Amino acid sequence: DTGVSQDPRHKITKRGQNVTFRCDPISEHNRLYWYRQTLGQGPEFLTYFQNEAQLEKSRLLSDRFSAERPKGSFSTLEIQRTEQGDSAMYLCASSYGTADSNQPQHFGDGTRLSIL
Amino acid sequence: SQKIEQNSEALNIQEGKTATLTCNYTNYSPAYLQWYRQDPGRGPVFLLLIRENEKEKRKERLKVTFDTTLKQSLFHITASQPADSATYLCALDRGSTLGRLYFGRGTQLTVWP
Repeated sequence: DTGVSQDPRHKITKRGQNVTFRCDPISEHNRLYWYRQTLGQGPEFLTYFQNEAQLEKSRLLSDRFSAERPKGSFSTLEIQRTEQGDSAMYLCASSYGTADSNQPQHFGDGTRLSIL
Repeated sequence: SQKIEQNSEALNIQEGKTATLTCNYTNYSPAYLQWYRQDPGRGPVFLLLIRENEKEKRKERLKVTFDTTLKQSLFHITASQPADSATYLCALDRGSTLGRLYFGRGTQLTVWP
């Protein structure tokens, strides 16, 4: 399967702990996105990379959140000092885009984070 | 800010009928409008994309229309089947080089035999 892969699928942690999620995009895709989805809502944009450059961050992404995409390949999303409100599904998506067009985004199955 | 409304949270129809889902948006006009399917515990799966200069797009039993005057898209599933039961998400792409998507809350479709 050459789709978007996310690890872990589930993460349970205590409030105040740090967590890190990994996303492996489709190999030929140059764009990578992180979204957050809570129950009954659509995904909300968090941040976006084109190759290794982080080009946009949502206001939802507080200073406790950091994302990286070293060498323009896989990406990690870290949440420091987790809070109850961080409980959600964290989705990663990738696509191929140019200055003239955007291709549809392909999503992974997400990491479900539960804060105790 | 962009606001996307999907007509209802839930839609129940009988197998064989046509399901019609609505997506309305305000403020900015998207360059692209996309529809995704999401099953419980899974990520969204891309179904169809329609550009602002296109009126209609079809793929097998699926049809999407895009009316930029009404700021509305309709998503149709003809000859619906129980396997079509899922949540359907509308997403707007403003067409900038950023490519971020603005999602609606989704409509949960149930097709009963």
